[in-house]
Amino acid sequence: DIQMTQSPSSLSASIGDRVTITCRSSQSIRSFLNWYQQKPGKAPNLLIYTSSSLQTGVPSRFSGSGSGTDFTLTISSLQPEDFATYYCQQSYSTPLTFGGGTKVEIK
Amino acid sequence: QITLKESGPTLVKPTQTLTLTCTFSGFSLNTTGVGVGWIRQPPGKALEWVAIIYWDDDERYSPALKTRLTITKDTSKNQVVLTMTTMDPVDTATYYCAHSVGATRFDYWGQGTLVTVSS
Repeated sequence: DIQMTQSPSSLSASIGDRVTITCRSSQSIRSFLNWYQQKPGKAPNLLIYTSSSLQTGVPSRFSGSGSGTDFTLTISSLQPEDFATYYCQQSYSTPLTFGGGTKVEIK
Repeated sequence: QITLKESGPTLVKPTQTLTLTCTFSGFSLNTTGVGVGWIRQPPGKALEWVAIIYWDDDERYSPALKTRLTITKDTSKNQVVLTMTTMDPVDTATYYCAHSVGATRFDYWGQGTLVTVSS
């Protein structure tokens, strides 16, 4: 199985901050990496797919990068509605696996 | 507009079998590249992929759960059914079904259904 490791597990940030979340896979997954946002009590919402493609309807302040084993999700200017938990997920091979999540909280 | 909705029991007893149904609209599971997956999330914990079935009847399962799982589709009813045997309290979780395109991502999700395993 491909293990996905996110860091940090949580962070505190202020409105307007630039936020970066990292995801590392235990082996190369090329660019088969997705990012989801989840708010409490809600289903996850796809933000970024295949490492850097922005899902339709997602604000452009979200961006993704990386290939191989190291990936990054960046929020260029944190907004109040961005406080949530973020998950990475590899779709390179089954079993599909998710990272442990990064909770973004208000500073 | 793609929508999915999970249905099934909210409470099951240990050792019982869980059957969950995902009823969807806005797409067909006969379309090349389309899949429907199940993902679960124990309270306060991370997401865990469970199973997926594709348009061509290919089925994939989590190795940790494989011996207990069956996933089937009924394209005439626009439904996917997940069966999990020998339920245990550690299986308590919110179970989501989700639409997958090109076997690359889950782009539409159901609202989820909380299943509690308790005697």
